[in-house]
Amino acid sequence: GQQLNQSPQSMFIQEGEDVSMNCTSSSIFNTWLWYKQEPGEGPVLLIALYKAGELTSNGRLTAQFGITRKDSFLNISASIPSDVGIYFCAGLANAGNNRKLIWGLGTSLAVNP
Amino acid sequence: GAVVSQHPSRVICKSGTSVKIECRSLDFQATTMFWYRQFPKQSLMLMATSNEGSKATYEQGVEKDKFLINHASLTLSTLTVTSAHPEDSSFYICSARGAPREQYFGPGTRLTVT
Repeated sequence: GQQLNQSPQSMFIQEGEDVSMNCTSSSIFNTWLWYKQEPGEGPVLLIALYKAGELTSNGRLTAQFGITRKDSFLNISASIPSDVGIYFCAGLANAGNNRKLIWGLGTSLAVNP
Repeated sequence: GAVVSQHPSRVICKSGTSVKIECRSLDFQATTMFWYRQFPKQSLMLMATSNEGSKATYEQGVEKDKFLINHASLTLSTLTVTSAHPEDSSFYICSARGAPREQYFGPGTRLTVT
């Protein structure tokens, strides 16, 4: 099935550093979502974006919906050890009740204290 | 708000038996629920989408007779893995969407078939 191009695949950083990851698609989306998943848990919604160009923050996290509607990025500032996990982007495609999320392959983040 | 629960969190069953996993939206009504499967170090794979009171829509390659989905109410959906085999061992995650237009996920169920 269709998947988003998410990069980087993994990151290993020092505590306090800023992090940036992005997703691109060949298709236009109306909604971009960013989730974080920790081992053995379900994904937790971090940020939802609904309009092209929208820039939204959630604490140390900032995400933007690209103007072309084909990309989005997520930034984490001043990383801390609890930021460790896998970050997934997801785009909403199709219309109607059965709209389904198209997923990126995830960015695995490791933070060295 | 927007909490989704799953039960059980872990289950071990013998090959050939059936296992039921429950997914509940605790503080909102979920008009649509989704069931995903996730293999280690991989992204989520959508298995099926269900609307309350309707038959589930299965993704290509997912056997509907093996993975029975029931969405009987606006707060409950169940996934039954029938005649489970070791290759069905996986992490199963449900998600729900309703008045919150985003999808919220349950904590997942780890199924091990021996």
